[in-house]
Amino acid sequence: EGQLLESGGDLVQPGGSLRLSCTASEFTFSSYAMSWVRQAPGKGLEWVSVVSPNSGTTYYADSVEGRFTISRDNSKNTLYLQMNSLRGEDTAVYYCAKCDRVTSCRAFDHWGQGTLVTVSS
Amino acid sequence: EIVLTQSPATLSLSPGERATLSCRASQTVSNYLAWYQQKPGQAPRLVIYDASNRATGIPARFSGSGSGTDFTLTISSLEPEDFAVYYCQQRGNWPLTFGQGTRLEIK
Repeated sequence: EGQLLESGGDLVQPGGSLRLSCTASEFTFSSYAMSWVRQAPGKGLEWVSVVSPNSGTTYYADSVEGRFTISRDNSKNTLYLQMNSLRGEDTAVYYCAKCDRVTSCRAFDHWGQGTLVTVSS
Repeated sequence: EIVLTQSPATLSLSPGERATLSCRASQTVSNYLAWYQQKPGQAPRLVIYDASNRATGIPARFSGSGSGTDFTLTISSLEPEDFAVYYCQQRGNWPLTFGQGTRLEIK
């Protein structure tokens, strides 16, 4: 069915760094592209980044390009998001999401429960 | 970047009524359009993918239509559990983008 569990959210000061993790189970993690999507408090969904199954291709939203790095360890069924130079506007619940097919990423068919990142002094 | 505009922002209806939600793209996305349902405190749930295909476990009262730039999510007869926020999402081009959401509330 597919299960995703995020961790690593915390309160961090502006300019600080944080690494989020997402552990996957109940599907063949190494076969699917994976993504991060965030949601600021009371706001809509914002796509952040995606990584291909073999880590060969990554894309980022302009708002995080150069500050965030997505990666994965298929041997550990784990997705990561390294977040540097954090800003107040990065405050959000961060969701890990599984792309819907092996050959591409058109939609997200499984989501984690989210982990809260708060950037504040 | 492709901008998705959802309308209306809020839709107030009663159980049993028909709901029609709209999503318009700033340029064509072919049929690479998905719809999600989100309830308070929960993660989004995929409802429709590729514009018109119901995701696993989604009831038949949900249907999607459209292609190119204009898309519609229809709920034929609202059940109490359908009241939520609905987002459309495109993957016609990167970056992937979401609409701003339509809140479906009980009248």
